[in-house]
Amino acid sequence: AQTVTQSQPEMSVQEAETVTLSCTYDTSESDYYLFWYKQPPSRQMILVIRQEAYKQQNATENRFSVNFQKAAKSFSLKISDSQLGDAAMYFCAYRSPETIQGAQKLVFGQGTRLTINP
Amino acid sequence: DGGITQSPKYLFRKEGQNVTLSCEQNLNHDAMYWYRQDPGQGLRLIYYSQIVNDFQKGDIAEGYSVSREKKESFPLTVTSAQKNPTAFYLCASSMVGLAGDEQFFGPGTRLTVL
Repeated sequence: AQTVTQSQPEMSVQEAETVTLSCTYDTSESDYYLFWYKQPPSRQMILVIRQEAYKQQNATENRFSVNFQKAAKSFSLKISDSQLGDAAMYFCAYRSPETIQGAQKLVFGQGTRLTINP
Repeated sequence: DGGITQSPKYLFRKEGQNVTLSCEQNLNHDAMYWYRQDPGQGLRLIYYSQIVNDFQKGDIAEGYSVSREKKESFPLTVTSAQKNPTAFYLCASSMVGLAGDEQFFGPGTRLTVL
């Protein structure tokens, strides 16, 4: 079974600085999808960024970018110019392309709590 | 506005009682999911459903039950057989067949067993 590991339970960064959150995963599949979700204090889960494993180019979304290292099974999230609104729990998630009746089963990491210091 | 609603936001239950959590979506998504979130842990899948009248167990289905009588609704019942039901419960939905498409989440229900 696939597993996702986030080894940093908590991280902090100064406002306007850059921070990188780590994620590693274990799989024997060659094609899959990876996601970063944000959960602010409101607890509403929000998709931050996604990566398709067959694409070598790292995904970017404004201040958010990933460093996808397929061979190392690593999928880190970089947040540039950190803002107070970035404070949240961040979850890394894996999805296999094999579906059971078409539903998307996601496997989540344990999460990293990010604090932004003003 | 399209989205997912969950009710109630907070729920208290006495031990030995069954309780049902509501989840409704108007995104016209075929698939719906229930996750449980505990402190220091990620989300764990309880049940999921792709089509009406069909659903599958996730990783931690014991002590839970679901129904999918309508496309828009996927209620979760926490039964008295669930030994540690106090947790935060999230409902989600997605399209079917698009592997990279995102799951949309509701605001969650916090269940506390007294």
